[in-house]
Amino acid sequence: SQTIHQWPATLVQPVGSPLSLECTVEGTSNPNLYWYRQAAGRGLQLLFYSVGIGQISSEVPQNLSASRPQDRQFILSSKKLLLSDSGFYLCAWNLRTDTQYFGPGTRLTVL
Amino acid sequence: GENVEQHPSTLSVQEGDSAVIKCTYSDSASNYFPWYKQELGKGPQLIIDIRSNVGEKKDQRIAVTLNKTAKHFSLHITETQPEDSAVYFCAASAHSGNTPLVFGKGTRLSVIA
Repeated sequence: SQTIHQWPATLVQPVGSPLSLECTVEGTSNPNLYWYRQAAGRGLQLLFYSVGIGQISSEVPQNLSASRPQDRQFILSSKKLLLSDSGFYLCAWNLRTDTQYFGPGTRLTVL
Repeated sequence: GENVEQHPSTLSVQEGDSAVIKCTYSDSASNYFPWYKQELGKGPQLIIDIRSNVGEKKDQRIAVTLNKTAKHFSLHITETQPEDSAVYFCAASAHSGNTPLVFGKGTRLSVIA
């Protein structure tokens, strides 16, 4: 069966520090991968999605970036965090024409 | 592109009553409509989905209906229980393979015991 992992589960970072969040999927190959952000009490904002290694589509221009160095690994990064980057970051995956599954999320607090 | 509107934003029901959440979509090419439940501090979990070739789907206390002509779909929860309290999201996509889901803004459901 397939599983999706995210780490860390929680993170507290100062403004201006770098960020790296990791997502991996097990039990499948060549999945579509997604990064979402959810502000407190708000909806799901799609940040990036990838249909293959090295293929990244950005939905919202901002100080975040994403990379897919391996087939089942998706990384969200920032060189300098802003207060507004605080939120709940969710990774998700699916196969072509199939159901999308979410990971457990990473709670990021920028102070 | 696709736009999904979801109503209401909050909903309170007494335990045992039914709850209905409604969504409308704009792109007539959309053909896949999932519903997710998100509990506090967790990732959303798929609870039911429907494709455009059917008008209704049911799974125990949960049902989804789809009206393609009017471009709206609804989630129905019967005999609500306190554990149904959560945020529910609807979504839509033209499920051609690589089209991301477009989500509604969510409904916070509270079931009062």
